[in-house]
Amino acid sequence: SQKIEQNSEALNIQEGKTATLTCNYTNYSPAYLQWYRQDPGRGPVFLLLIRENEKEKRKERLKVTFDTTLKQSLFHITASQPADSATYLCALFGNQAGTALIFGKGTTLSVSS
Amino acid sequence: ETGVTQSPTHLIKTRGQQVTLRCSSQSGHNTVSWYQQALGQGPQFIFQYYREEENGRGNFPPRFSGLQFPNYSSELNVNALELDDSALYLCASSLSSGTANNSPLHFGNGTRLTVT
Repeated sequence: SQKIEQNSEALNIQEGKTATLTCNYTNYSPAYLQWYRQDPGRGPVFLLLIRENEKEKRKERLKVTFDTTLKQSLFHITASQPADSATYLCALFGNQAGTALIFGKGTTLSVSS
Repeated sequence: ETGVTQSPTHLIKTRGQQVTLRCSSQSGHNTVSWYQQALGQGPQFIFQYYREEENGRGNFPPRFSGLQFPNYSSELNVNALELDDSALYLCASSLSSGTANNSPLHFGNGTRLTVT
C-alpha cells in the first residue's frame, strides 16, 4: 500500500542550528512533492513545491531536496528561530487525474532559544 | 484577496446526528478539497470537487458527502455521526484544470467537530 512516513517524533533543536526533517514514501511515483507548515489550531500553510526532475529548491532559509531513487525528501531550515516551531507536513501528488494531495503525519519541530 | 473561510469554527454533536460544515474558497479558485485531521495525525483526504463535480474520493464511507456551488463554495455533510468522526475538518481551495496538478492548497483554519 502507499505510505508517506515522516520522522514523527518531536525534533528539538537550539536556535541558530539547522533543522533537517525527513519524508520517505513507498509505492508512489509522485510527480511533485510539497511541504506545509501547521501551527496549533490552524490550517496548514504551503511552503515549497519541488518537481520530480528537480534535485533541490530553496526559499530564504528553507531548502528542500527530492531524491526519487531513494524515494525521499529532506526539508532543511537553516539558522532556525523559535518562531520556526511548528508541525511540518510532507505531501505528495500522484500523476493521475483526480488524485488528491496526500499528507504524511508530520514532524513537530521545537526550536529553543 | 480573501482567503479560505470555514464555519462554524467549533461544533458539538451527539452520536447519530447529522452535521453540515461550510467553506468559502479563495477568490479565483475552482477546486475544493476536504480533509479530516485527527489529533496528532496528518490530514486525511475525504474528497475533492472541481467545477461542482466530485473529482476524487478518499477512503471514507458514503455517509460523508459534499457539494460545490457555482460560486465554488462548498459543504461537507456527515450523516449518522460516530464518536470517531471527532476531528478537525479542513477545507482547502486551489486553482486547477481538473486533471492531476501541482497547485498548492490554501487551507482554512478548520471546523473542530466533537461527537459525544
